[in-house]
Amino acid sequence: QQQVKQSPQSLIVQKGGISIINCAYENTAFDYFPWYQQFPGKGPALLIAIRPDVSEKKEGRFTISFNKSAKQFSLHIMDSQPGDSATYFCAATFGGSQGNLIFGKGTKLSVKP
Amino acid sequence: ETGVTQSPTHLIKTRGQQVTLRCSSQSGHNTVSWYQQALGQGPQFIFQYYREEENGRGNFPPRFSGLQFPNYSSELNVNALELDDSALYLCASRRDGGGRNYGYTFGSGTRLTVV
Repeated sequence: QQQVKQSPQSLIVQKGGISIINCAYENTAFDYFPWYQQFPGKGPALLIAIRPDVSEKKEGRFTISFNKSAKQFSLHIMDSQPGDSATYFCAATFGGSQGNLIFGKGTKLSVKP
Repeated sequence: ETGVTQSPTHLIKTRGQQVTLRCSSQSGHNTVSWYQQALGQGPQFIFQYYREEENGRGNFPPRFSGLQFPNYSSELNVNALELDDSALYLCASRRDGGGRNYGYTFGSGTRLTVV
């Protein structure tokens, strides 16, 4: 059973456009929703994260929108740049010391110049 | 901070063999987790250690085992390797003061190929 479903699998966006990646979760006990960015040959790096008591969080060009009732959250990348080309993973976890990250399957983003 | 360092970066083993992967965490990071990332997939949680004790495990068989040492280093051991064990193995660490489970730092991983 996949607890975090991510779409699309791949995404091509023109430079300057908006990239949107969506995730849906099943377990309402999740209380932290991070997004990770992974470049080839590297480990995932935390990009931005949100807690379910907030509907939106913005950091620079990156915004998370969170819909608790629909159990969905999304990553928006404004003014997408070729350097943003990477694989993006949404994840979810529980609070406390015994939690672990549950990842989506990833979205490969390509930003064309 | 020196980040999370994993070794080796690449490894080729034969089916049935045993392998040990190593991770050196940042000073003060008392929680370490290991993940398996198959090609084209998201990382899957293997297990987690907190202060040298395993305190969480994913859906992996007992032939996957680990150790965490007082110097913030850790190991992932896999016995009786199978072809499906071929993957990128990621180590992630964080400082846990008993509160929120946030702020993991990932290493670049060890690419294991089983032939």
